[in-house]
Amino acid sequence: SYVLTQPPSVSVAPGKTARITCGGNIVGIKTVHWYQQKPGQAPVLVIYYDSDRPSGIPERFSGSNSGNTATLTISRVEAGDEADYYCQVWDNTGDHPVIFGGGTKLTVL
Amino acid sequence: QVQLQESGPGLVKPSQTLSLTCTVSGGSISSGGYYWSWIRQHPGKGLEWIGYIYYGGSTYFNSSLKSRITISIDTSKNQFSLNLSSVTAADTAVYYCARVGGYYESGKIDYWGQGTLVTVSS
Repeated sequence: SYVLTQPPSVSVAPGKTARITCGGNIVGIKTVHWYQQKPGQAPVLVIYYDSDRPSGIPERFSGSNSGNTATLTISRVEAGDEADYYCQVWDNTGDHPVIFGGGTKLTVL
Repeated sequence: QVQLQESGPGLVKPSQTLSLTCTVSGGSISSGGYYWSWIRQHPGKGLEWIGYIYYGGSTYFNSSLKSRITISIDTSKNQFSLNLSSVTAADTAVYYCARVGGYYESGKIDYWGQGTLVTVSS
């Protein structure tokens, strides 16, 4: 089945920009969603359809998807952004339609 | 605002069947276009999709768990359920129910339950 690869960890200083990547074979032709998960909480959708933001998600969160890499970008990082982030695609042509990346731990220094 | 809530035992003995129910409120489980899903997370690990069901009863399962999974739906109660048989310690995880958007939503997961920890132990 399709595989999404994320770096295990990303560190960034407050106020800087964090970029979390999600690699996959021609992932640019798929639609990528991103989730934020804080300790002890359920995941929350932060980016859908590659680059759209649900209501209530700050404009600091943005997404892009091209070629073999999708990217979640968090601008002006705050301490409250520290969390695990997961990318996800839906492949309804296969036998494993919901595919998650392994997750990236964002640490705010 | 759709809300999902998992319920079921927090402790299951090895070799027995894990049974969880998800109650949906704020929306009808019979509305088309969505798959009602189970997702789990082993302690300290990532998210693992278990399977989902459409309101008409069609089911889709993670191939690695397929032989042990049953997912059912009760539209009259606005609930769907998971049964995972022959559990071992490796099935200890937080189990989430969630709503997965279908074709027109490209599998977006917009609503999640709070999750319930199920421990497999004698």
